[in-house]
Amino acid sequence: GQNIDQPTEMTATEGAIVQINCTYQTSGFNGLFWYQQHAGEAPTFLSYNVLDGLEEKGRFSSFLSRSKGYSYLLLKELQMKDSASYLCAVVAGIDYKLSFGAGTTVTVRA
Amino acid sequence: KAGVTQTPRYLIKTRGQQVTLSCSPISGHRSVSWYQQTPGQGLQFLFEYFSETQRNKGNFPGRFSGRQFSNSRSEMNVSTLELGDSALYLCASSPAQGYEQYFGPGTRLTVT
Repeated sequence: GQNIDQPTEMTATEGAIVQINCTYQTSGFNGLFWYQQHAGEAPTFLSYNVLDGLEEKGRFSSFLSRSKGYSYLLLKELQMKDSASYLCAVVAGIDYKLSFGAGTTVTVRA
Repeated sequence: KAGVTQTPRYLIKTRGQQVTLSCSPISGHRSVSWYQQTPGQGLQFLFEYFSETQRNKGNFPGRFSGRQFSNSRSEMNVSTLELGDSALYLCASSPAQGYEQYFGPGTRLTVT
């Protein structure tokens, strides 16, 4: 199975930048997803990285290093609405099994 | 396109009972996955169905089962409910395996 680690909690100020790290150990790596989940709501897709490098989407960017088993999600110009849990998920194996990390709760303060 | 729908949204059952949850994927999506989410364990994978066949299974006891119909709608069943089964059950659909998953709103199950 996959071993996926991410910090439990992070706090940042409105307008700041926060970087959420995710490390994983797996065989047959296919790709890595980041999802956002607001309290009481379902997860929503943020990004999908297959190849090494940085993918930028507006205020959110995601980076992947396959050789290091490492990814990060970068949230820029933080807004109060960014307060949520951020889930790292790895797709692996010929059956494309998806495994989630425990999630990182980000709290944005004024 | 309509999103993923799950019914019921809330459910209260007593220990020993069984429950069936339903999920309708986004039109055209053939892969449906089920997850259990609890505050302590996070999002735990239950199983995935693709074209009516179970493709993947998580580490849950045999009390948890599922199926997928020819129209891609899926159901999951939990028999002999235990207090620890209280959780949010999420269904997610995708066009195929390995693609972005779209989550439904979930069914909040409470076992008393």
